[in-house]
Amino acid sequence: GEDVEQSLFLSVREGDSSVINCTYTDSSSTYLYWYKQEPGAGLQLLTYIFSNMDMKQDQRLTVLLNKKDKHLSLRIADTQTGDSAIYFCAETVFSGGYNKLIFGAGTRLAVHP
Amino acid sequence: DTGVSQNPRHKITKRGQNVTFRCDPISEHNRLYWYRQTLGQGPEFLTYFQNEAQLEKSRLLSDRFSAERPKGSFSTLEIQRTEQGDSAMYLCASSFLAGGPNTQYFGPGTRLTVL
Repeated sequence: GEDVEQSLFLSVREGDSSVINCTYTDSSSTYLYWYKQEPGAGLQLLTYIFSNMDMKQDQRLTVLLNKKDKHLSLRIADTQTGDSAIYFCAETVFSGGYNKLIFGAGTRLAVHP
Repeated sequence: DTGVSQNPRHKITKRGQNVTFRCDPISEHNRLYWYRQTLGQGPEFLTYFQNEAQLEKSRLLSDRFSAERPKGSFSTLEIQRTEQGDSAMYLCASSFLAGGPNTQYFGPGTRLTVL
C-alpha cells in the first residue's frame, strides 16, 4: 500500500539542529520530497532526493535516505524562528502514467528561544 | 512572480451553494494537479491534467466535483451543492513533463468554509 508516516511534533531551541523523520512504503519511489507549509499558505518545495542517492545537502538542509529501511530524514542546521512551520515528506508512486505524490500528515516544528 | 496562483484565497459559502476556484499554473508547465488538504493532514490527490486532458481522478472526487482545463492553461475546480464536509484547503500544483523529477510546485491554496 501507499503510506507515509511522520512524527507529528518537534520542538527545538533556536540555534540547535532539527531532525525530522519520515518512513515510506513504496520501494519503487524514484524521488522523495520535503515541502514546508507556513500557516494559511501553500506548500513550498524545500528539496528532493533521487532514490539512488544516500545524502543531499543544500545550504542548511541535509537529506538522508536509507532505502533499505525506507527511511528519510531532513536535518535543518542552526534552526531559526523562521523555520517554524509544518514539514511534509512525500514519496512518488508511479500510477496512471505519471508520478503521483503521497504525503505524510506533516511534522509541526516549533522553534523556541 | 511567475509561481502558481489561485483565486480566491478564501471562500465562505452556505451549504448547498456551488463554488468555483481557479488555478493559474507556471506558464510553461503542462501538468496541473488539484489536491485537498483538511486540518492536520497532508494534501490528498484529487485530479490531474496533462495539457487539457484530465487523465486521472481520485475516488475522493465525487460527482459533485468537476474540474476543467479548457485550453491547457488555467484550470477551474467546481463543487456543486456544497456540504460541510467539503470545508478544506484546495491546493493546485503544476509541473513540467520532461526527464527528471517532474517536481510539483504548489500555489497558495483556496480555503473553503461551508456553513
